[in-house]
Amino acid sequence: QVQLQESGPGLVKPSETLSLTCIVSGGSISGYYWSWIRQPPGKGLEWIGYIYYSGTTNYNPSLKSRLTISVDTSKNQLSLELSSVTAADTAVYYCARLKSTVGGSKYFDYWGQGTLVTVSS
Amino acid sequence: DIQMTQSPSSLSASVGDRVTITCRASQSIYNYLNWYQLKPGKAPKFLIFAASSLQSGVPSRFSGSGSGTDFTLTISSLQPEDFATYHCQQSYSTPYTFGQGTKLEIK
Repeated sequence: QVQLQESGPGLVKPSETLSLTCIVSGGSISGYYWSWIRQPPGKGLEWIGYIYYSGTTNYNPSLKSRLTISVDTSKNQLSLELSSVTAADTAVYYCARLKSTVGGSKYFDYWGQGTLVTVSS
Repeated sequence: DIQMTQSPSSLSASVGDRVTITCRASQSIYNYLNWYQLKPGKAPKFLIFAASSLQSGVPSRFSGSGSGTDFTLTISSLQPEDFATYHCQQSYSTPYTFGQGTKLEIK
């Protein structure tokens, strides 16, 4: 059973960089796409971006200028860095596996529990 | 970006009830529509892909239908563990987008 676990600081100051890590266990990170998704308090889910295990990325244009997603296959983990954060970046951040089928369907089949990051001075 | 609109935003129901949640896309997404169940403090659970295909292990009381722009998630007989928030998501094009969620509460 694939399990994902996010970790990182729960509090980040405005204008600083938010950094999170997601460790994948119970399966290999290789061969799959991996995503970050967030949910601000009281709001809906927002897709942040994905990375293929080889390093190819696809970012949400709304965050692209501030965003870096990376993968370390030797550690079976992926990372998120979001720079110049503001209060609007306060959210629960999830990592998830993006499964792609032969038929063209894509879906997030495994998720972490999420980690709350608050941006505040 | 493709906008996903769910209705209702909240719903009160009783154990054993049949409930339906609607999701509408701002343009045709064919059948590239997925459903998820979220509970506070727990990993979200993936329920349905391709509008109507049940993920392995998901109870058969869950079903999905629709194509194009209009989709539904139906729970045929609510169980206590089904009270949660449900989100639709389109995977037709990036940026992938989600509905705002439907909170299913116990009446």
